[in-house]
Amino acid sequence: AQTVTQSQPEMSVQEAETVTLSCTYDTSESDYYLFWYKQPPSRQMILVIRQEAYKQQNATENRFSVNFQKAAKSFSLKISDSQLGDAAMYFCAYRSGFGNEKLTFGTGTRLTIIP
Amino acid sequence: DTEVTQTPKHLVMGMTNKKSLKCEQHMGHRAMYWYKQKAKKPPELMFVYSYEKLSINESVPSRFSPECPNSSLLNLHLHALQPEDSALYLCASSQVMGFSTDTQYFGPGTRLTVL
Repeated sequence: AQTVTQSQPEMSVQEAETVTLSCTYDTSESDYYLFWYKQPPSRQMILVIRQEAYKQQNATENRFSVNFQKAAKSFSLKISDSQLGDAAMYFCAYRSGFGNEKLTFGTGTRLTIIP
Repeated sequence: DTEVTQTPKHLVMGMTNKKSLKCEQHMGHRAMYWYKQKAKKPPELMFVYSYEKLSINESVPSRFSPECPNSSLLNLHLHALQPEDSALYLCASSQVMGFSTDTQYFGPGTRLTVL
């Protein structure tokens, strides 16, 4: 079974600075997808970024980018120019590429933005 | 438009009540999901519907009864719940691609309190 580990329960960063959230996973599959979701205190889970395992290029979405290290099974999220609205719980998630709809979530990292 | 809507936003019910949660999406997605999320924890998958048919039931107690009347609508019927069932219930949907599914988009959730 796949597992996802987020080793940082809480992180904080100064506004306008850069922060990196860590995520590692364990799988024997070769085809899979990785996601970062953000859940603000208002509670709606919002997709931040998605990475296909077969793509070597790291995904980016505006201020959000990932460092995908397939051999190391590492999938970290970098947030540049942090903004107050980035404060949230961030979940890393794994999904198999072979017809399994199930998302396996990490335990989450609570990110605080310091004004 | 990546919107999934859920009603009601909040629900308080007694252990003998019968109530229903509703989820709706108009993105043409053919897979829909129910998750349960306790405070400070990641979401836990309960049910998956694919093409209006139940494809995954994660051994959820029978007091939770899902229903998918059409491709846009997903209900969760609740009966004889326990206080430990109090949680945030999240709905999600995704496109189906061949033998796999695409990114899941979440609704804002229903906060359920069982007295």
